[in-house]
Amino acid sequence: AQTVTQSQPEMSVQEAETVTLSCTYDTSESDYYLFWYKQPPSRQMILVIRQEAYKQQNATENRFSVNFQKAAKSFSLKISDSQLGDAAMYFCAYRSTGNQFYFGTGTSLTVIP
Amino acid sequence: DSGVTQTPKHLITATGQRVTLRCSPRSGDLSVYWYQQSLDQGLQFLIQYYNGEERAKGNILERFSAQQFPDLHSELNLSSLELGDSALYFCASSVHPGQGGTDTQYFGPGTRLTVL
Repeated sequence: AQTVTQSQPEMSVQEAETVTLSCTYDTSESDYYLFWYKQPPSRQMILVIRQEAYKQQNATENRFSVNFQKAAKSFSLKISDSQLGDAAMYFCAYRSTGNQFYFGTGTSLTVIP
Repeated sequence: DSGVTQTPKHLITATGQRVTLRCSPRSGDLSVYWYQQSLDQGLQFLIQYYNGEERAKGNILERFSAQQFPDLHSELNLSSLELGDSALYFCASSVHPGQGGTDTQYFGPGTRLTVL
């Protein structure tokens, strides 16, 4: 079965600085999708960014970008120019070809003013 | 606001009881997913329905069942409840079934279930 590992339970960043959240996964599949979700205190799950495994180009959404290393099975999230509203729990997720989803245990991000 | 609604927001019940959680997907979305988020286990995928049919199954217990109705809303039924079933239950929806596509899931606000 696929597993998703987020090795950083907590991270902090100064406002306006850059932070990188780590995620690794284990799979034998070649075609899959990876996601980063944000969960603020409201507990709502919000999609931050998505990456298709067949695409070599790293996805970017405004201040959010990923570093996708397929061979290393690594999928890190970089947040640039961090804002107070970025404070949340961040989950890395894997979607298999069978459309099953696997989530990491999350990284709690604190933004320091 | 994602457009996905879940009711009730909170539910408190006793062990051995049965409850039903309801989810209404975004307008136009045909696919519904259910997740369980426990404090110590992160987010677990339970089951997915697409246009009324079961599409994918995750770590869903036999005591749990779900269905999607013709109007596309979905219900998750939890029976013989145990203390360990206390969790936040999320529903998500998407347009397509998700396989092979670049489908985005939109999550509802969740239902917090407390089993006493």
